[in-house]
Amino acid sequence: GENVEQHPSTLSVQEGDSAVIKCTYSDSASNYFPWYKQELGKGPQLIIDIRSNVGEKKDQRIAVTLNKTAKHFSLHITETQPEDSAVYFCAASSGQAGTALIFGKGTTLSVSS
Amino acid sequence: GAVVSQHPSRVICKSGTSVKIECRSLDFQATTMFWYRQFPKQSLMLMATSNEGSKATYEQGVEKDKFLINHASLTLSTLTVTSAHPEDSSFYICSATLGGPGTEAFFGQGTRLTVV
Repeated sequence: GENVEQHPSTLSVQEGDSAVIKCTYSDSASNYFPWYKQELGKGPQLIIDIRSNVGEKKDQRIAVTLNKTAKHFSLHITETQPEDSAVYFCAASSGQAGTALIFGKGTTLSVSS
Repeated sequence: GAVVSQHPSRVICKSGTSVKIECRSLDFQATTMFWYRQFPKQSLMLMATSNEGSKATYEQGVEKDKFLINHASLTLSTLTVTSAHPEDSSFYICSATLGGPGTEAFFGQGTRLTVV
């Protein structure tokens, strides 16, 4: 089955700096890669996703890149703000209906002002 | 986006009792829902896939008699933790997808179960 590795487990940055979180996956059939933000005591919230027919996607301060050959994808947050502090999870799935997301272990991002 | 509602958000129960958690898709029909379990400071671990009108598919290591899943309608899946013990204390989260290829998954707000 699919296995998703995520690094780093913790990341501390100064406000205004950029943050990068990287994930690798094992199943070449996976073609859907979402990123979730989870705040304490809440369910995950989708922040951006990318599908295998696209190499990069951007939404304001957030971008995701995908390298299918190397089976890795990354989350980039620019101009970080204290409210970006949370746990971020990457995930992968085949994208077919009824297929569950498999999550990485998460990255705790701390943005200090 | 679509909304998935999970209830209750918190529950405390005595050891040996059973607890039911509900997961509802409020504005869409979900033929498939997923149940995850999350321990403190850890990732979401898939427990089972809940299919409307059929038996759930459990992940390896998850006791189907312990975690009963019922998906009786296209908008409701329930997870019942039977004969709960302190080690069952965890954060349980459900999700549902709209269907179709590469579809976004929407998550409930989670249920914090504490067994005392």
